[in-house]
Amino acid sequence: GQQVMQIPQYQHVQEGEDFTTYCNSSTTLSNIQWYKQRPGGHPVFLIQLVKSGEVKKQKRLTFQFGEAKKNSSLHITATQTTDVGTYFCAGKTGANNLFFGTGTRLTVIP
Amino acid sequence: DVKVTQSSRYLVKRTGEKVFLECVQDMDHENMFWYRQDPGLGLRLIYFSYDVKMKEKGDIPEGYSVSREKKERFSLILESASTNQTSMYLCASSSTGRRAFFGQGTRLTVV
Repeated sequence: GQQVMQIPQYQHVQEGEDFTTYCNSSTTLSNIQWYKQRPGGHPVFLIQLVKSGEVKKQKRLTFQFGEAKKNSSLHITATQTTDVGTYFCAGKTGANNLFFGTGTRLTVIP
Repeated sequence: DVKVTQSSRYLVKRTGEKVFLECVQDMDHENMFWYRQDPGLGLRLIYFSYDVKMKEKGDIPEGYSVSREKKERFSLILESASTNQTSMYLCASSSTGRRAFFGQGTRLTVV
């Protein structure tokens, strides 16, 4: 089956520190999406990357799609307590499927 | 706003029971998905459907079946519930190539 791995599984940071999570796929992806799940909530869409080497920014969040379209990263600059949650990448290999990564749970210590 | 509604937030069932989890979306999305979420394992795709009466297996279909008789409704069926199916179940829907919208989840406990 589809393998989308994320590292690290858990990350604890001091408020104000940066945070990065990495996503790796065993197969080439048509696009990649990122989601955030707050504690007790459901995953909510953040962004979609389609092009090889694409970089997108949302305020303090920077998303990158690898040149080979097999990996991606999410970087948060100067974390805040509101960033707490689990971040998932999700890859599409076909038109209709959507396989999620294992997720990175971020804890921000005030 | 898109709404994806799962029939139950919490469910407790006995081993061997047949369990139905229902999901309804109101945005005419062609794609619907069922995932289960377990600590450390992320969201694992059980089944997805890209059209009425069409379905495809995800990564972990064993012990589950699905039904999509109408476009807005996607049901997950546990033919004979077992304790290892205790989990959080999440339904999602999307248009092809677009973002997925999730329901609130059903926490199923099999005793």
